Amino acid sequence: AQKVTQAQTEISVVEKEDVTLDCVYETRDTTYYLFWYKQPPSGELVFLIRRNSFDEQNEISGRYSWNFQKSTSSFNFTITASQVVDSAVYFCALRQSGYSTLTFGKGTMLLVSP
Amino acid sequence: DTEVTQTPKHLVMGMTNKKSLKCEQHMGHRAMYWYKQKAKKPPELMFVYSYEKLSINESVPSRFSPECPNSSLLNLHLHALQPEDSALYLCASSQDLSDVGEQFFGPGTRLTVL
Repeated sequence: AQKVTQAQTEISVVEKEDVTLDCVYETRDTTYYLFWYKQPPSGELVFLIRRNSFDEQNEISGRYSWNFQKSTSSFNFTITASQVVDSAVYFCALRQSGYSTLTFGKGTMLLVSP
Repeated sequence: DTEVTQTPKHLVMGMTNKKSLKCEQHMGHRAMYWYKQKAKKPPELMFVYSYEKLSINESVPSRFSPECPNSSLLNLHLHALQPEDSALYLCASSQDLSDVGEQFFGPGTRLTVL
């Protein structure tokens, strides 16, 4: 069975602070895919990143960075110099190879105040 | 065009009404999905269509009836809903059901059943 745990239900920071959102996953598969989605108050889930299980290289995209560590089954997401527009619910998700179904974590609500 | 559109944005209906939700994408994707999302919860998969054929039905009650008239359109017909069906209904699409692509989501329809 697959499982994604986002232990942080809600995080509040002040603008310009760095913040890390944790994601821990469980799967018996050797090939799998990990995702992060952002859901602002408007409701749309915005795709941020996909990482496959064979690619442990960390990624940076502007103020966003992701740290994938298979040894600890974690795929953490860091926002550097947070902004008010980063306020949203962030979901980490897992998909088995050969399956279309996403297993979502419960989400972390990030509130960035001015 | 990397957009999934959904209409209407908001819908209020009575328990005896019949209504439909619409979803459209022009990315040439051959897989389309319906999700239901309750407040403060992650999205839950309802249906998956692949090449216009129903591929997955996650034991959804028959008062929800999906339809895929062509590769760009996905409908969700609603009939005799219950107040507990009030939720955000999200449509998504992906290249196909293989491992290649990620799912892109629409903005959702916020449904209220009175």
